[in-house]
Amino acid sequence: VQLVESGGGLIQPGGSLRLSCVASGFTVSDNYMTWVRQAPGKGLEWVSTIYIASNTYYADSVRGRFTISKDNSKNTLHLQMNSLRVEDTAVYYCAGSLSVRRGIDYWGPGTLVTVSS
Amino acid sequence: DIQMTQSPSSLSASVGDRVTITCRASQSVSRYLNWYQHKAGKAPKLLIYEASRLQSGVPSRFSGSGSGTDFTLTITSLQPEDFATYYCQQSNSPPFTFGPGTKVDIK
Repeated sequence: VQLVESGGGLIQPGGSLRLSCVASGFTVSDNYMTWVRQAPGKGLEWVSTIYIASNTYYADSVRGRFTISKDNSKNTLHLQMNSLRVEDTAVYYCAGSLSVRRGIDYWGPGTLVTVSS
Repeated sequence: DIQMTQSPSSLSASVGDRVTITCRASQSVSRYLNWYQHKAGKAPKLLIYEASRLQSGVPSRFSGSGSGTDFTLTITSLQPEDFATYYCQQSNSPPFTFGPGTKVDIK
């Protein structure tokens, strides 16, 4: 299994960014997919999880600004991030699990998002 | 939302020591509590799921126990590769919150 994130970078406050995560050896459409982030010097923070389009969950800190989605045809997970804030600066990890209750089995290496003017 | 706490926030230990980390949930999460190991610059690694089930490939010196609100991760005979930060995470109900972490470093 391999998960590889892309789309990170430097963005000004208020801007938008779209993260992508391509999976191999793991079927995105059949499984739970999650974004977890780690701000500099801080711990892990769960951001969002999706199973099917009608089953999406968000942390309070990002609800209404971030949107998680799957592109099953490309076996890819996305995170659309709007109205970005300085406090959204973090390494964003894409992660997958066969069952959300059994923990997160597979992780990507992470992509850095820096929100700064 | 369920809040997670961990204690201690950090500890120093020697190779061969027995290490115990505690995680507490603000309300019952049944047995849906997971433990991860995270090293700087690397992806987190699932160690224990459903409080006490060892993830495939994880050494047997790692074990977990507990249910409801109180959980424990134990590392018997700490090895050099075990120096890392450990996080608990509840997967009972969203948001699937992580604890603040426990950093284990070399004494």
